[in-house]
Amino acid sequence: AQSVTQPDIHITVSEGASLELRCNYSYGATPYLFWYVQSPGQGLQLLLKYFSGDTLVQGIKGFEAEFKRSQSSFNLRKPSVHWSDAAEYFCAVGDGNQGGKLIFGQGTELSVKP
Amino acid sequence: DTAVSQTPKYLVTQMGNDKSIKCEQNLGHDTMYWYKQDSKKFLKIMFSYNNKELIINETVPNRFSPKSPDKAHLNLHINSLELGDSAVYFCASSQLLHTEAFFGQGTRLTVV
Repeated sequence: AQSVTQPDIHITVSEGASLELRCNYSYGATPYLFWYVQSPGQGLQLLLKYFSGDTLVQGIKGFEAEFKRSQSSFNLRKPSVHWSDAAEYFCAVGDGNQGGKLIFGQGTELSVKP
Repeated sequence: DTAVSQTPKYLVTQMGNDKSIKCEQNLGHDTMYWYKQDSKKFLKIMFSYNNKELIINETVPNRFSPKSPDKAHLNLHINSLELGDSAVYFCASSQLLHTEAFFGQGTRLTVV
């Protein structure tokens, strides 16, 4: 069965430091992969997506993610974190064969220290 | 000009009541979804509609009944509300079945 694992429940980084959020997936075919961000009391905003092609994808707000098929990973990175990046981050795999549903990871809560 | 809008944003109701949540998208998408986010922030799909046709019903109790009057709307009606139904419900839409989904702001349902 398809699944997504985000090993880190909570991460704290200092403002200006680099960030990497981990995501591992289990999927039989070529996955469609997404990272979403949820600020408190808000909906989910798409940060970036991977469908095919270049395995390093750029997103909004200075985020990027790298798809590594051999490691079944799609880690999210940002070179310098801003205080406004504090939020919940969700990795998801899309299943077009099952009505387009997204299978989400458990989420990683990011806190940013001044 | 909100892309996916759902109402109400907050809903507090008593056990046993029936309530509805409305969702509208102005993106011209063919597929709409309902997701449930529980108290641990875990997100799980409930329903998926493509061109007004139900294509996913993810083992949701039949107290939950989605209705899609047209491609731009997907409403969620819940009968006989239970305490365990308390959650945040998100509506979403996508152009195709495998493309990115755009989410509404969520409806926080509290059953007391």
